[in-house]
Amino acid sequence: AQSVTQPDIHITVSEGASLELRCNYSYGATPYLFWYVQSPGQGLQLLLKYFSGDTLVQGIKGFEAEFKRSQSSFNLRKPSVHWSDAAEYFCAVGSTLGGAQKLVFGQGTRLTINP
Amino acid sequence: DTEVTQTPKHLVMGMTNKKSLKCEQHMGHRAMYWYKQKAKKPPELMFVYSYEKLSINESVPSRFSPECPNSSLLNLHLHALQPEDSALYLCASSQEGILRGGRVSGYTFGSGTRLTVV
Repeated sequence: AQSVTQPDIHITVSEGASLELRCNYSYGATPYLFWYVQSPGQGLQLLLKYFSGDTLVQGIKGFEAEFKRSQSSFNLRKPSVHWSDAAEYFCAVGSTLGGAQKLVFGQGTRLTINP
Repeated sequence: DTEVTQTPKHLVMGMTNKKSLKCEQHMGHRAMYWYKQKAKKPPELMFVYSYEKLSINESVPSRFSPECPNSSLLNLHLHALQPEDSALYLCASSQEGILRGGRVSGYTFGSGTRLTVV
């Protein structure tokens, strides 16, 4: 069964600093990988996704992620964070299930931005 | 229209009440989902509808009853809930995995309904 591990429960960075959020997955086949962001009391917004091809994926809001099969990782990065990036970030692995898709989420990483 | 709309945004209900949560999308997605999210936790899958048929029930108690009247609407009927059922209930939709060449495109989530059971 697929699973996702986000080792960092909470990360604090200063505004303008670079960011890397870690994600490790377990999946027997080629994984479909996603990063979602959730602001307090809100739904989840898709930042980026990886299916195949180029292992460096560009997303919205200046985020990117790199798929490394050898390390079973899909880490999220941003060169310079803004105060508005403070939120909960979820990594997820997806699979097809009949006509639907099943996403399994990691536990999430809460990002705090210091001014 | 690229949104999933959930109503109401907030709901407070007693343990003897009957209420319904509603979810609507007009993106032509044929799979729709209900997730439950407790504070500081990831979303947990409850139900999956594919082509308006219930395809997955993740052992959810019968006090939660899903309904998919048509391809654009998804309801969650609530009855005799417990205080521990208080949570954010998220609806999502997606394109079909297999019919898109086996590609999983991910979900579009609604903003959720914040449910409090008193």
